[in-house]
Amino acid sequence: NAGVTQTPKFRILKIGQSMTLQCAQDMNHNYMYWYRQDPGMGLKLIYYSVGAGITDKGEVPNGYNVSRSTTEDFPLRLELAAPSQTSVYFCASSYSAAPGGASGNTIYFGEGSWLTVV
Amino acid sequence: GENVEQHPSTLSVQEGDSAVIKCTYSDSASNYFPWYKQELGKGPQLIIDIRSNVGEKKDQRIAVTLNKTAKHFSLHITETQPEDSAVYFCAASRRSQGNLIFGKGTKLSVKP
Repeated sequence: NAGVTQTPKFRILKIGQSMTLQCAQDMNHNYMYWYRQDPGMGLKLIYYSVGAGITDKGEVPNGYNVSRSTTEDFPLRLELAAPSQTSVYFCASSYSAAPGGASGNTIYFGEGSWLTVV
Repeated sequence: GENVEQHPSTLSVQEGDSAVIKCTYSDSASNYFPWYKQELGKGPQLIIDIRSNVGEKKDQRIAVTLNKTAKHFSLHITETQPEDSAVYFCAASRRSQGNLIFGKGTKLSVKP
């Protein structure tokens, strides 16, 4: 019963380095999301995808890229890491956009990836 | 776009007391309002949600109320227990969009 799986759990990057945060879900969900969580600021949407081959920007997309080649995977790419990208990153998925219900807009989150850029 | 305000940012109660967390939203087209609980070092987990065609929903010790006219919704936890201690987030979204707009969170501490 894996749900949403994120790797790595922790990572320290130097300024200017690149990395990819991996996310996979095994619930056959169409929608996938990347959020970042900064202390006292709640969660902000970075990018989301409504299905394989389709991605769109969220509230805070600058400095990130995503791809969705399969239904299961939704990696988040940081090309030139900056200290402002130090945060906790959460991947999430949902079955559809329809609100509510057991198979509706319930969004399931992964355990998070702690990223520090120094 | 949607903006969700959440109050208070911290809440401390005695075990057995009730806790209430309130959120307001700005987009009248929002029609889905979930509440998430986040324990330390974990991802948020859905605890209860409500749709705009319902005014109140209850699940054991947890209830959510929605006032569409005033554009606010609240989480009520009765008979609080130490394991209720966590950060709680409210959120809002529209039918046409899958993404959620979150409040900034409330850190609830239940003292035994």
